[in-house]
Amino acid sequence: SAVISQKPSRDICQRGTSLTIQCQVDSQVTMMFWYRQQPGQSLTLIATANQGSEATYESGFVIDKFPISRPNLTFSTLTVSNMSPEDSSIYLCSVETAPTRYGYTFGSGTRLTVV
Amino acid sequence: GENVEQHPSTLSVQEGDSAVIKCTYSDSASNYFPWYKQELGKRPQLIIDIRSNVGEKKDQRIAVTLNKTAKHFSLHITETQPEDSAVYFCAASISTGFQKLVFGTGTRLLVSP
Repeated sequence: SAVISQKPSRDICQRGTSLTIQCQVDSQVTMMFWYRQQPGQSLTLIATANQGSEATYESGFVIDKFPISRPNLTFSTLTVSNMSPEDSSIYLCSVETAPTRYGYTFGSGTRLTVV
Repeated sequence: GENVEQHPSTLSVQEGDSAVIKCTYSDSASNYFPWYKQELGKRPQLIIDIRSNVGEKKDQRIAVTLNKTAKHFSLHITETQPEDSAVYFCAASISTGFQKLVFGTGTRLLVSP
C-alpha cells in the first residue's frame, strides 16, 4: 500500500494565523483526500484534490478557509487560514491505494491546537 | 447525500466474547464498504472491506457481512482480545464523478481482560 508522510505532526498556533499541512505519497495517485477529525468525532471530508484542477470542497468547507494545492501526483498541501479555536482538530490526508483499487490509506495526521 | 449510521456508539465486552458493530447507509449506489480501526492518537487503519458483489468476507477473527437489499453491513469480531480495544469506523463509498468515502460516527470498543 502507499506510504504517506504528513507534516507537521502537531502544532500550536495563534488565532488569526494560518498553517499549511503537507502530504507526500511514495507513489503517484490520482486523488488525495483531506479530512478533519474533531476531538472524539468521526472523519469529515473537507475536500478532494485532483492534480491539475481545482479541489472539490464538501458542503460547509470553502476554498478561502481551506485552500488546497496539488502541484503533482505525489504531493498536496492543505492550509487552514485565519484560524480560530474551533479549527482545533486533527487533519488527515488520504489516498486511494493500489492495487486494491478502493483501499484508502491515511497519513499520520496533524494535531492542530489554536490558542 | 449519503448518510452512514453506526451503532452502538460504545461497546464493552469481556475478553473472548464476540463483538458486533452495525452500519446502515442510504445511497443504493454505494458499492464499497471498508472498516477502520483507530487506536488512541493514531491514524485510522483499514482492517477489512467488502464490495457490493460479495455478501460476506472473513479474515481470521474479523468478518464483515453486507445486505444490499436492506442497506446495512456489520463487523463481527470473534474471540476478542484487549488489543482489539479501539474506535471502529465503518464507511460507504459514494460516486460523484470520483469515488469517495462517507464515514459512520464510530464505535468505541472496550475489551476487558
